[in-house]
Amino acid sequence: IAGITQAPTSQILAAGRRMTLRCTQDMRHNAMYWYRQDLGLGLRLIHYSNTAGTTGKGEVPDGYSVSRANTDDFPLTLASAVPSQTSVYFCASSSSTSGFTDTQYFGPGTRLTVL
Amino acid sequence: AQKVTQAQTEISVVEKEDVTLDCVYETRDTTYYLFWYKQPPSGELVFLIRRNSFDEQNEISGRYSWNFQKSTSSFNFTITASQVVDSAVYFCALRGTSGTYKYIFGTGTRLKVLA
Repeated sequence: IAGITQAPTSQILAAGRRMTLRCTQDMRHNAMYWYRQDLGLGLRLIHYSNTAGTTGKGEVPDGYSVSRANTDDFPLTLASAVPSQTSVYFCASSSSTSGFTDTQYFGPGTRLTVL
Repeated sequence: AQKVTQAQTEISVVEKEDVTLDCVYETRDTTYYLFWYKQPPSGELVFLIRRNSFDEQNEISGRYSWNFQKSTSSFNFTITASQVVDSAVYFCALRGTSGTYKYIFGTGTRLKVLA
């Protein structure tokens, strides 16, 4: 593994189903983030984690939950998917949440379609 | 409130032309960071540059250059002698130093370089 990996690459999901998007990084970064990308809206932050054991809400957290049990993994769960959650989801990480080193690096993305 | 505006939704140029992508930001923080990312058709987000608010020196990297002007709250990106491989969506982002260290992304500019 090099950098950030996300799984699955793409998924079609029936509305009402539960879905977990996986994100793993091997850079030992403290901070991790989940974004959704929608046409014309850019990237919007869903949830973030400054360090293992802590999480916080971003701009559009409703309908999503996250956990950060360890440094490397940051799964995003849709408890009951709705069509408006159709989007491309990006996981990102950065080495710190302050100072000069907070450049975020992104995973390859997961394309999710909710029908 | 923090905000990033990329007013150019889409730009088309012919190969070898120079092109400038505009980014205007708003923040009340005195210290902040600005970023540019590239998203090629393959979909991944590639980090291009980070600029700190206290360093207004322009930067050049090959055919890429960045013009940071605090007086006009702008961080523009110029590609010289554009190539077809430069075709992508380019995102500008801002990270302040107050609050939760979140990135704020612009809505992106789609650049099409025609052969």
